[in-house]
Amino acid sequence: DSGVTQTPKHLITATGQRVTLRCSPRSGDLSVYWYQQSLDQGLQFLIQYYNGEERAKGNILERFSAQQFPDLHSELNLSSLELGDSALYFCASSGGAGVDYEQYFGPGTRLTVT
Amino acid sequence: GQQLNQSPQSMFIQEGEDVSMNCTSSSIFNTWLWYKQDPGEGPVLLIALYKAGELTSNGRLTAQFGITRKDSFLNISASIPSDVGIYFCAGHSGNTGKLIFGQGTTLQVKP
Repeated sequence: DSGVTQTPKHLITATGQRVTLRCSPRSGDLSVYWYQQSLDQGLQFLIQYYNGEERAKGNILERFSAQQFPDLHSELNLSSLELGDSALYFCASSGGAGVDYEQYFGPGTRLTVT
Repeated sequence: GQQLNQSPQSMFIQEGEDVSMNCTSSSIFNTWLWYKQDPGEGPVLLIALYKAGELTSNGRLTAQFGITRKDSFLNISASIPSDVGIYFCAGHSGNTGKLIFGQGTTLQVKP
Protein backbone atom coordinates (compact mmCIF):
# COMPACT_ATOMS: atom_id res chain seq x y z
CA ASP A 1 0.00 0.00 0.00
CA SER A 2 1.60 3.26 -1.20
CA GLY A 3 -0.54 5.46 1.03
CA VAL A 4 -2.05 7.21 -2.00
CA THR A 5 -5.80 6.67 -2.32
CA GLN A 6 -7.98 7.13 -5.38
CA THR A 7 -11.72 6.97 -5.86
CA PRO A 8 -13.61 5.56 -7.56
CA LYS A 9 -11.85 2.35 -8.56
CA HIS A 10 -14.00 1.93 -11.66
CA LEU A 11 -16.12 4.37 -13.60
CA ILE A 12 -18.35 3.64 -16.58
CA THR A 13 -19.96 6.54 -18.37
CA ALA A 14 -21.25 7.62 -21.75
CA THR A 15 -19.69 9.85 -24.38
CA GLY A 16 -20.27 13.53 -23.80
CA GLN A 17 -20.48 13.16 -20.03
CA ARG A 18 -18.30 14.68 -17.33
CA VAL A 19 -16.60 12.83 -14.47
CA THR A 20 -14.46 13.70 -11.47
CA LEU A 21 -11.64 11.52 -10.19
CA ARG A 22 -10.37 12.04 -6.68
CA CYS A 23 -6.95 11.52 -5.15
CA SER A 24 -5.61 11.79 -1.60
CA PRO A 25 -1.80 11.95 -1.41
CA ARG A 26 0.39 10.22 1.17
CA SER A 27 0.40 11.93 4.52
CA GLY A 28 2.81 14.86 4.40
CA ASP A 29 3.26 14.89 0.61
CA LEU A 30 2.73 18.28 -1.01
CA SER A 31 2.93 17.31 -4.68
CA VAL A 32 0.25 15.48 -6.62
CA TYR A 33 0.65 14.20 -10.17
CA TRP A 34 -1.89 12.80 -12.60
CA TYR A 35 -0.99 10.22 -15.26
CA GLN A 36 -3.01 8.49 -17.94
CA GLN A 37 -2.25 4.92 -18.98
CA SER A 38 -3.67 3.57 -22.21
CA LEU A 39 -2.66 0.57 -24.29
CA ASP A 40 -1.41 2.60 -27.23
CA GLN A 41 0.17 5.56 -25.39
CA GLY A 42 1.57 3.94 -22.26
CA LEU A 43 1.93 6.04 -19.09
CA GLN A 44 1.64 9.72 -19.91
CA PHE A 45 2.08 12.65 -17.53
CA LEU A 46 -0.90 14.99 -17.41
CA ILE A 47 -0.35 17.59 -14.73
CA GLN A 48 1.39 18.33 -11.40
CA TYR A 49 0.24 20.41 -8.45
CA TYR A 50 2.42 21.48 -5.57
CA ASN A 51 0.81 22.83 -2.40
CA GLY A 52 -2.25 24.00 -4.28
CA GLU A 53 -0.47 25.56 -7.27
CA GLU A 54 -0.10 24.13 -10.75
CA ARG A 55 3.58 23.24 -11.19
CA ALA A 56 3.95 21.41 -14.50
CA LYS A 57 1.74 20.48 -17.38
CA GLY A 58 1.99 17.65 -19.87
CA ASN A 59 -0.13 16.88 -22.90
CA ILE A 60 -3.36 17.40 -21.00
CA LEU A 61 -6.39 18.00 -23.18
CA GLU A 62 -8.32 21.25 -22.80
CA ARG A 63 -11.37 19.14 -21.86
CA PHE A 64 -9.45 17.97 -18.79
CA SER A 65 -8.74 20.09 -15.73
CA ALA A 66 -7.42 19.51 -12.25
CA GLN A 67 -7.07 21.26 -8.94
CA GLN A 68 -5.49 20.68 -5.56
CA PHE A 69 -7.40 21.75 -2.49
CA PRO A 70 -6.13 23.24 0.80
CA ASP A 71 -6.22 19.78 2.43
CA LEU A 72 -3.93 18.68 -0.46
CA HIS A 73 -6.33 16.22 -2.04
CA SER A 74 -6.71 16.63 -5.78
CA GLU A 75 -9.44 16.16 -8.34
CA LEU A 76 -9.14 15.53 -12.06
CA ASN A 77 -12.16 16.62 -14.07
CA LEU A 78 -12.76 15.09 -17.48
CA SER A 79 -15.52 16.59 -19.62
CA SER A 80 -17.11 16.01 -23.02
CA LEU A 81 -15.83 12.47 -22.76
CA GLU A 82 -14.88 10.55 -25.88
CA LEU A 83 -14.34 6.84 -26.43
CA GLY A 84 -10.61 7.47 -26.62
CA ASP A 85 -10.57 8.79 -23.07
CA SER A 86 -11.08 5.26 -21.78
CA ALA A 87 -7.94 4.49 -19.80
CA LEU A 88 -6.47 4.00 -16.38
CA TYR A 89 -5.88 7.28 -14.55
CA PHE A 90 -3.26 7.29 -11.84
CA CYS A 91 -2.49 9.79 -9.17
CA ALA A 92 0.98 9.91 -7.62
CA SER A 93 2.38 11.99 -4.78
CA SER A 94 5.77 13.07 -3.56
CA GLY A 95 7.16 15.12 -0.71
CA GLY A 96 8.40 17.98 -2.85
CA ALA A 97 8.08 19.49 -6.26
CA GLY A 98 11.29 18.74 -8.11
CA VAL A 99 13.37 15.87 -9.40
CA ASP A 100 14.76 14.77 -6.04
CA TYR A 101 11.50 13.36 -4.78
CA GLU A 102 10.24 9.83 -5.40
CA GLN A 103 6.73 9.48 -6.70
CA TYR A 104 4.35 6.94 -5.19
CA PHE A 105 1.36 5.85 -7.19
CA GLY A 106 -2.20 5.14 -6.16
CA PRO A 107 -4.22 2.12 -7.31
CA GLY A 108 -5.79 4.04 -10.20
CA THR A 109 -9.26 4.69 -11.56
CA ARG A 110 -10.32 2.68 -14.58
CA LEU A 111 -12.51 4.87 -16.79
CA THR A 112 -14.62 3.25 -19.48
CA VAL A 113 -16.46 5.52 -21.88
CA THR A 114 -19.22 3.81 -23.87
CA GLY B 1 8.76 14.60 -27.49
CA GLN B 2 11.26 12.88 -25.24
CA GLN B 3 11.12 9.12 -25.20
CA LEU B 4 12.61 6.28 -23.30
CA ASN B 5 13.31 3.11 -25.24
CA GLN B 6 12.95 0.10 -23.01
CA SER B 7 14.07 -3.38 -23.95
CA PRO B 8 13.29 -6.16 -24.19
CA GLN B 9 9.58 -5.71 -24.68
CA SER B 10 8.89 -9.07 -23.03
CA MET B 11 10.76 -11.92 -21.40
CA PHE B 12 9.79 -15.47 -20.56
CA ILE B 13 12.28 -17.10 -18.22
CA GLN B 14 12.67 -20.08 -15.92
CA GLU B 15 12.43 -19.62 -12.16
CA GLY B 16 15.90 -19.11 -10.69
CA GLU B 17 17.32 -17.36 -13.75
CA ASP B 18 18.71 -13.85 -13.68
CA VAL B 19 17.00 -11.10 -15.69
CA SER B 20 18.35 -7.94 -17.23
CA MET B 21 16.45 -5.09 -18.86
CA ASN B 22 17.47 -1.61 -19.89
CA CYS B 23 16.32 1.82 -20.91
CA THR B 24 17.97 4.27 -23.25
CA SER B 25 17.28 7.82 -24.27
CA SER B 26 18.60 10.22 -26.86
CA SER B 27 18.64 12.97 -24.25
CA ILE B 28 20.07 13.32 -20.75
CA PHE B 29 18.00 12.38 -17.73
CA ASN B 30 18.53 13.74 -14.21
CA THR B 31 17.04 10.74 -12.43
CA TRP B 32 16.12 7.17 -13.26
CA LEU B 33 13.42 5.22 -11.47
CA TRP B 34 12.27 1.66 -11.89
CA TYR B 35 8.67 0.64 -11.19
CA LYS B 36 6.81 -2.69 -11.25
CA GLN B 37 3.15 -2.88 -12.15
CA ASP B 38 0.82 -5.82 -11.58
CA PRO B 39 -2.36 -6.11 -13.66
CA GLY B 40 -5.00 -3.63 -12.55
CA GLU B 41 -2.71 -2.04 -9.96
CA GLY B 42 -0.65 1.12 -9.77
CA PRO B 43 3.10 1.14 -10.42
CA VAL B 44 5.19 0.34 -7.35
CA LEU B 45 8.54 2.06 -6.94
CA LEU B 46 11.44 -0.41 -6.84
CA ILE B 47 14.60 1.69 -7.07
CA ALA B 48 15.42 5.38 -7.54
CA LEU B 49 18.76 6.61 -8.92
CA TYR B 50 19.96 10.20 -8.64
CA LYS B 51 23.61 10.27 -9.71
CA ALA B 52 25.37 9.23 -12.89
CA GLY B 53 27.22 5.98 -12.28
CA GLU B 54 25.16 5.18 -9.18
CA LEU B 55 24.58 1.49 -8.54
CA THR B 56 21.78 0.67 -6.09
CA SER B 57 20.35 -2.60 -4.81
CA ASN B 58 17.02 -3.49 -3.28
CA GLY B 59 17.07 -7.16 -2.29
CA ARG B 60 17.47 -9.22 -5.47
CA LEU B 61 17.15 -6.10 -7.62
CA THR B 62 20.09 -4.01 -8.77
CA ALA B 63 19.88 -0.89 -10.94
CA GLN B 64 22.45 1.47 -12.37
CA PHE B 65 22.34 5.05 -13.62
CA GLY B 66 24.49 5.15 -16.77
CA ILE B 67 27.58 7.35 -16.87
CA THR B 68 26.30 9.22 -19.93
CA ARG B 69 22.98 9.87 -18.10
CA LYS B 70 21.22 8.51 -21.16
CA ASP B 71 20.65 4.96 -19.96
CA SER B 72 19.86 2.71 -17.02
CA PHE B 73 19.56 -1.00 -16.44
CA LEU B 74 17.74 -3.22 -13.96
CA ASN B 75 18.88 -6.69 -13.00
CA ILE B 76 16.81 -9.23 -11.09
CA SER B 77 18.73 -12.16 -9.68
CA ALA B 78 17.35 -15.64 -8.97
CA SER B 79 13.87 -14.85 -10.28
CA ILE B 80 10.79 -16.20 -8.49
CA PRO B 81 7.17 -16.49 -9.66
CA SER B 82 6.10 -13.31 -7.85
CA ASP B 83 8.51 -11.31 -10.03
CA VAL B 84 5.92 -11.62 -12.81
CA GLY B 85 4.64 -8.25 -13.95
CA ILE B 86 5.46 -5.25 -16.09
CA TYR B 87 8.62 -3.31 -15.29
CA PHE B 88 8.85 0.35 -16.25
CA CYS B 89 11.79 2.68 -16.31
CA ALA B 90 11.06 6.37 -15.80
CA GLY B 91 13.05 9.52 -15.49
CA HIS B 92 13.10 13.26 -15.03
CA SER B 93 14.69 15.12 -17.93
CA GLY B 94 14.11 18.61 -16.63
CA ASN B 95 13.60 20.27 -13.29
CA THR B 96 9.90 19.58 -12.91
CA GLY B 97 8.33 16.53 -11.33
CA LYS B 98 7.14 15.27 -14.72
CA LEU B 99 8.16 11.64 -15.19
CA ILE B 100 8.70 10.18 -18.64
CA PHE B 101 8.07 6.44 -18.82
CA GLY B 102 9.43 3.67 -21.00
CA GLN B 103 7.07 1.30 -22.77
CA GLY B 104 7.56 -1.44 -20.20
CA THR B 105 9.08 -4.94 -20.10
CA THR B 106 6.64 -7.77 -19.44
CA LEU B 107 8.26 -10.50 -17.39
CA GLN B 108 6.88 -14.01 -17.15
CA VAL B 109 8.50 -16.60 -14.90
CA LYS B 110 7.97 -20.31 -15.41
CA PRO B 111 8.05 -22.28 -12.14
